[in-house]
Amino acid sequence: QVQLQESGPGLVKPSETLSLTCAVSGYSISSAYYWGWLRQPPGKGLEWIGNIYHSGNTCYNPSLKSRVTISVDTSKNQFSLKLSSVTAADTAVYYCARHSRPAGYSSGWTVDYWGQGTLVTVSS
Amino acid sequence: DIQMTQSPSSLSASVGDRVTITCRASQGISNSLAWYQQKPGKAPKLLLYAASRLASGVPSRFSGSGSGTDCTLTISSLQPEDFATYYCQQYYSTLALTFGGGTKVEIK
Repeated sequence: QVQLQESGPGLVKPSETLSLTCAVSGYSISSAYYWGWLRQPPGKGLEWIGNIYHSGNTCYNPSLKSRVTISVDTSKNQFSLKLSSVTAADTAVYYCARHSRPAGYSSGWTVDYWGQGTLVTVSS
Repeated sequence: DIQMTQSPSSLSASVGDRVTITCRASQGISNSLAWYQQKPGKAPKLLLYAASRLASGVPSRFSGSGSGTDCTLTISSLQPEDFATYYCQQYYSTLALTFGGGTKVEIK
């Protein structure tokens, strides 16, 4: 059974960099799939942040691209998110997730496995 | 970005009711659409993809239809465990995945 677990600080100061790590168990991220991040501000909807393939190929949401870096560590079977210059608007539950390309499709992904989510608050 | 608009934003229904939720895309997305269910404090769960294909383990009372700009999610007979928020997501765009604003299904 694939399991994902986010870890990282729950409180980040404005203008600093948010850093989270996602540990994957039950599946080798070197095998296949894209692995990425989504977020959900309290009481609001879902926003896709981006993803990465084990080769290091990344895809980022254009609205966040200038501030986002996603990296992968296959030796530890984990991947990470860095979001720079954060503001209060970045306060959200952050989810790490496995991205799956549906059969017969040449692009795009659905999200078939999710971490439990971790709340990150941006405040001084 | 492709904008996704769900309606209604919330609805009240009783156990056994038939419920339909609509998702409209700002441009054609073929059938590159998924639906998720999210319960309070939990991560979303994939229900359907390709507009109408059930994800593994999802009960058959859930169904989807549509293509182009308009898709629907139908729950044929609402069960107590179905009270949740539902989101649509397009994966047609290669630039970004985008979600609808959500539809909260509440107990009448």
